[in-house]
Amino acid sequence: EVQLVESGGGLVQPGGSLRLSCAASGFTFRNYWMHWVRQVPGKGLVWVSRIDTDGSYTSYADSVKGRFTISRDNAKNTLYLQLNSLRAEDTAVYYCATVATHNFDNWGQGTLVTVSS
Amino acid sequence: QTVVTQEPSFSVSPGGTVTLTCGLSSGSVSTSYYPSWYQQTPGQAPRTLIYSTNTRSSGVPDRFSGSILGNKAALTITGAQADDESDYYCVLYMSSGIYVFGTGTKVTVL
Repeated sequence: EVQLVESGGGLVQPGGSLRLSCAASGFTFRNYWMHWVRQVPGKGLVWVSRIDTDGSYTSYADSVKGRFTISRDNAKNTLYLQLNSLRAEDTAVYYCATVATHNFDNWGQGTLVTVSS
Repeated sequence: QTVVTQEPSFSVSPGGTVTLTCGLSSGSVSTSYYPSWYQQTPGQAPRTLIYSTNTRSSGVPDRFSGSILGNKAALTITGAQADDESDYYCVLYMSSGIYVFGTGTKVTVL
């Protein structure tokens, strides 16, 4: 069974940093592109970032470019998202997801990031 | 900045049919955008219904179907059931290598 478990969320002050993790199991992690998607509670889904199978290619939404960094450790079956220079508008639940043939087919349950003073 | 637009809400009667659409702020949606559709209930992660325009995900009832209608991607629910009451999101793949989710549609079955 595919499992994606996010962790690392919490309360952080504006301008602060946080690193999110997504532990993967039940599938061959190194074969999948991985993505981060976020959702402000009660609002819509927003795509954040993606990374290819070996970490050599990444892309980002304009709203986080230059502040967030996606990475992965295939030996640990773990995806990461480094969040720097956080703003109030970055407050959201952050989901990791596998994507194959443009299908966001597996999702974690999310980790909540709250940016507030 | 690309905006992917969906109807904010729809109401459908049990057994009825509803078509949700997914459009671009500028331009037309085609199969090259690989439109996909997701269902989300409160407190839950999204679930894939349709990907690559019209491919139904495993285990999804055949009352859900995807297509291109005019210049938009479309999700049709035929024979709506009470448990179809959810939020629905489309997502498009852009040639720049990024994805953009639609604004979402809240479907009420009553």
